[in-house]
Amino acid sequence: DTGVSQDPRHKITKRGQNVTFRCDPISEHNRLYWYRQTLGQGPEFLTYFQNEAQLEKSRLLSDRFSAERPKGSFSTLEIQRTEQGDSAMYLCASSFPWDNEKLFFGSGTQLSVL
Amino acid sequence: KNEVEQSPQNLTAQEGEFITINCSYSVGISALHWLQQHPGGGIVSLFMLSSGKKKHGRLIATINIQEKHSSLHITASHPRDSAVYICAVRSSNQFYFGTGTSLTVIP
Repeated sequence: DTGVSQDPRHKITKRGQNVTFRCDPISEHNRLYWYRQTLGQGPEFLTYFQNEAQLEKSRLLSDRFSAERPKGSFSTLEIQRTEQGDSAMYLCASSFPWDNEKLFFGSGTQLSVL
Repeated sequence: KNEVEQSPQNLTAQEGEFITINCSYSVGISALHWLQQHPGGGIVSLFMLSSGKKKHGRLIATINIQEKHSSLHITASHPRDSAVYICAVRSSNQFYFGTGTSLTVIP
């Protein structure tokens, strides 16, 4: 257990539905990252926050994706009007402010869009 | 072209064998990470390197900054080492990941 928790672990939804995932980082971490991973691939960067500010978004993050970190603690990732291509593992990671290099990953949320 | 390339993609070894996984990258980096991912998704950070060599138990990681290359070695491999090993580099404010090396160690 790395101390980063994600909820839910698994989500099955029908195409067109909205889904929301939550990530609770280690409490002292100021950086929080979201990644997407499909089978046989490494994680792909989606977005990251420093405290409550969303500093960078990948081109992969279409208008249907939105992420928030309202109080600089937990974060949510919402996907609107889900498509089958959104099926993937969504990983959250966070890092210490004095050691921004080391990432601690959550166990991920596996999304299946039917 | 991916910023991080790993080889081999898949590796099967007999218990006790010495294993090497390679990682090459094409961007300027501040650090390189070796990660281990078990079935079910959990990712654990094994090493963070910016130069030289690090050792932890049976695992050894090396990096050559000039050649933009790193290797992860596992000595006396064991079936519990079976996992996907991912190389990741930190460049600017992003991490770039390789596609991983799937290792299976057979008893």
